[in-house]
Amino acid sequence: GNSVTQMEGPVTLSEEAFLTINCTYTATGYPSLFWYVQYPGEGLQLLLKATKADDKGSNKGFEATYRKETTSFHLEKGSVQVSDSAVYFCALSDSGGSNYKLTFGKGTLLTVNP
Amino acid sequence: KAGVTQTPRYLIKTRGQQVTLSCSPISGHRSVSWYQQTPGQGLQFLFEYFSETQRNKGNFPGRFSGRQFSNSRSEMNVSTLELGDSALYLCASSVDSSSTDTQYFGPGTRLTVL
Repeated sequence: GNSVTQMEGPVTLSEEAFLTINCTYTATGYPSLFWYVQYPGEGLQLLLKATKADDKGSNKGFEATYRKETTSFHLEKGSVQVSDSAVYFCALSDSGGSNYKLTFGKGTLLTVNP
Repeated sequence: KAGVTQTPRYLIKTRGQQVTLSCSPISGHRSVSWYQQTPGQGLQFLFEYFSETQRNKGNFPGRFSGRQFSNSRSEMNVSTLELGDSALYLCASSVDSSSTDTQYFGPGTRLTVL
């Protein structure tokens, strides 16, 4: 079956530090990959996505590249801000048949200190 | 365009009761999915509806059920509530039922079972 493994953290960084959150996946078909962010007391917001190998998703300074050879979709940001403090989820959606659903990693709590 | 709305936002029930949660998708979206989020199990897929038909179901007992109406609004019902059903229930909508589509999430309904 499908699965997503991401570093669970928590991750604590100082403002302007470089961020990497690792995500690897297992899928039976050709998945699309997503990063979602969840702020306290809220639902999930899409941060970025990539739908095929070598695609790079980017948004708000965050980037992730779909690497089929390493089955990875690591999230990076060059300079984090206090406002980036949240829980980040890596997810995949498989293209197989009518199996339309998101499979999530466990989430990574990021805290950015001023 | 209004986002995904969920009602109620908070619910407190006792064991053995049943509960109905409601979700209104983004206008024009035909697919609605439901997820359960708990600290222990993370985000787990419950079911997905498209044009009033359940297309996919997660690994949950039959006490969990749902439906979708002709206007794409969806409800999920949990009968004979158990303590372990305490969770944040998230609804997500997308335009279509394709793995490349983005699912947009609502703020969730926080269910507490006493």
